[in-house]
Amino acid sequence: EIVLTQSPGTLSLSPGDRVTLSCRASQSVSSSYLAWYQQKPGQAPRLLIHGTSNRATGIPDRFSGSGSGTDFTLTISRLEPEDFAVYYCQLYGSSPLHTFGQGTQLEIK
Amino acid sequence: QVQLQESGPGLVKPSQTLSLTCSVSGYSIGSASYYWSWIRQPAGKGLEWIGHIYTSGSTNYNPSLKSRVTISVDTSKNQFSLKLSSATAADTAKYYCAREYSNYLPNGDYYYYGFDVWGQGTTVTVSS
Repeated sequence: EIVLTQSPGTLSLSPGDRVTLSCRASQSVSSSYLAWYQQKPGQAPRLLIHGTSNRATGIPDRFSGSGSGTDFTLTISRLEPEDFAVYYCQLYGSSPLHTFGQGTQLEIK
Repeated sequence: QVQLQESGPGLVKPSQTLSLTCSVSGYSIGSASYYWSWIRQPAGKGLEWIGHIYTSGSTNYNPSLKSRVTISVDTSKNQFSLKLSSATAADTAKYYCAREYSNYLPNGDYYYYGFDVWGQGTTVTVSS
């Protein structure tokens, strides 16, 4: 089983800041199989990035993803008030077929 | 616009079967191409994939739940369903249905596009 570890657990930042969230896999994975989601309180997760670096439909270009092997990142270039949420990375293709990281909480400073 | 809506009892007694249905609108499940998943989230915790079904009826389950899970599809009603037997308090969570897509690229590589549409979720409590 491949484990996804996200860091940090919580980040306190201000609107306008740049932030990079980390997702580390316990073994090398295909970059085609790594996705990121945003979840706001009381809402379902929303797909942000698929294939490590491809923005989903309607996602602003301030969100970007990168990485390979075991280390992946989600960067928000300039935080907007609506970006404060929990972010999950997710892997396809292991066992179980879909695995989520434990999440990073992005909170307003 | 594709929409998913979960429905089912909000309270289930321990040892009973938790049953939920996801109704799909704006897209015909029978059109193939997509997998249809169930994902759950205990309050204040992370996401756990339960399993999925393809239009053909083929399924794949999380090994940790496989012995208790059945996912089925009813294309005539444009719905898919989850049954989780022998429910315990550990199954108390918000349950989401979601659509996922993966396919072969022109170069032959397999590519995963993610869970692109989600239901709003329904909370199920297992308690006597």
